[in-house]
Order: sequence, then C-alpha cells, then structure tokens
Amino acid sequence: SQQGEEDPQALSIQEGENATMNCSYKTSINNLQWYRQNSGRGLVHLILIRSNEREKHSGRLRVTLDTSKKSSSLLITASRAADTASYFCATDEGGAQKLVFGQGTRLTINP
Amino acid sequence: GAVVSQHPSWVICKSGTSVKIECRSLDFQATTMFWYRQFPKQSLMLMATSNEGSKATYEQGVEKDKFLINHASLTLSTLTVTSAHPEDSSFYICSATGTDQETQYFGPGTRLLVL
Repeated sequence: SQQGEEDPQALSIQEGENATMNCSYKTSINNLQWYRQNSGRGLVHLILIRSNEREKHSGRLRVTLDTSKKSSSLLITASRAADTASYFCATDEGGAQKLVFGQGTRLTINP
Repeated sequence: GAVVSQHPSWVICKSGTSVKIECRSLDFQATTMFWYRQFPKQSLMLMATSNEGSKATYEQGVEKDKFLINHASLTLSTLTVTSAHPEDSSFYICSATGTDQETQYFGPGTRLLVL
C-alpha cells in the first residue's frame, strides 16, 4: 500500500522547545491518527482527527488537518526528554479499517 | 483500557523452523486484528487483516502459506511464520480494533531473529 510522507524524517531539539512534524497523504480520508513509538516498542495512540475537523488538542499535543492540501501537522509544546520517540501519522485511506502509515519522524529531545 | 499484548516479546530460531506469535486483546473484544511487520528505522507495513471466525485477508505480496493467521476468538489472533528464513527476521506488531472500529490499539511487538 502507498504510504504518506512525513517531514522531517528526523528532528533534534532542546528540551522545552516546541516540535512540529508534518504528514501528507494521497487520497481522501475519513480520519487521520498520530501514533508514537519508542525504540523497539509498540505504537501508542496519541490522537485521532476526523476529516471534518481542522484542529484538535490533547494536553501538550496540537494536531491540525488540511484536507484541501491533504496534510496534517503534529505540534508538541514544551518538549520533554520523554518525548523522544518516532512519530507516525496514519490514515484510513486504505479502506476497510486499514491504516496507511507515513514514514515517521524520529524526534530527539536533548536535555 | 484497550490493552493489547503479544507473546513472545522476542524469539530466536533456526532457519527452517516455524514460529507462532500470539496477539491478545486483554480488556476488550477485538472485532478485527491486524498484523504488521517493521524493518529497522522503517514504517509499519500491513501484512494482513483478520476477523474472528473468518479467513484473513492478506496484502499484496504477502504469502498466505508462509504467514498463517488464525483468529479463533474475539480476544486472540495468532501469526505463524512457517519455515522461517533469515529474511523473515523483523519486528512483528499486531493491533486490534474494538466496537468503534476507528482506533487501532497496538501490541508491544515481537522481535524475530532467524539464524
């Protein structure tokens, strides 16, 4: 299945700074989800945004969705060392509940 | 809530042997379970989708006779890698959806190393 693109592939920032990751996809969707994966572990669901929503917040996370541009962004504010992980966006463009994952952004928070 | 477990967490086996990986939804009934594989520093690739009591649907390029999937109950799905070879070495992750059918909850993954 085709995968979306994530930008940047890797991001390294200082603790306390904000981190922004972007995701683009190819076809129409019903929803887009963001997941976090710590090294060698499974994925943790962060947030789901539906196609009729433009912005959603959850704690220090802010997700936007622009269906006209087929893109989404994930903003983590006031980053912490524990936020170091890979972040993936996933859309339901695969159909039948299937998720299509982006390539992921490897985020490193430096203390 | 929505916890998914996998067993084993890692396995080393000899080439030619078969390996079974279990995926369980611990606190909800999983109507659908998914199996993914992930190579180092890469994204997840869907291998197959399984619904309880029916045959799994495999993605293009995934050999169904090599990767046997059994979804015998609403809380358990198994993936058996038959006649494993070194190129099958990978990180295998399962996920499950409940009644909302939207959010997939992922297991912690199983690292397979075939010698």
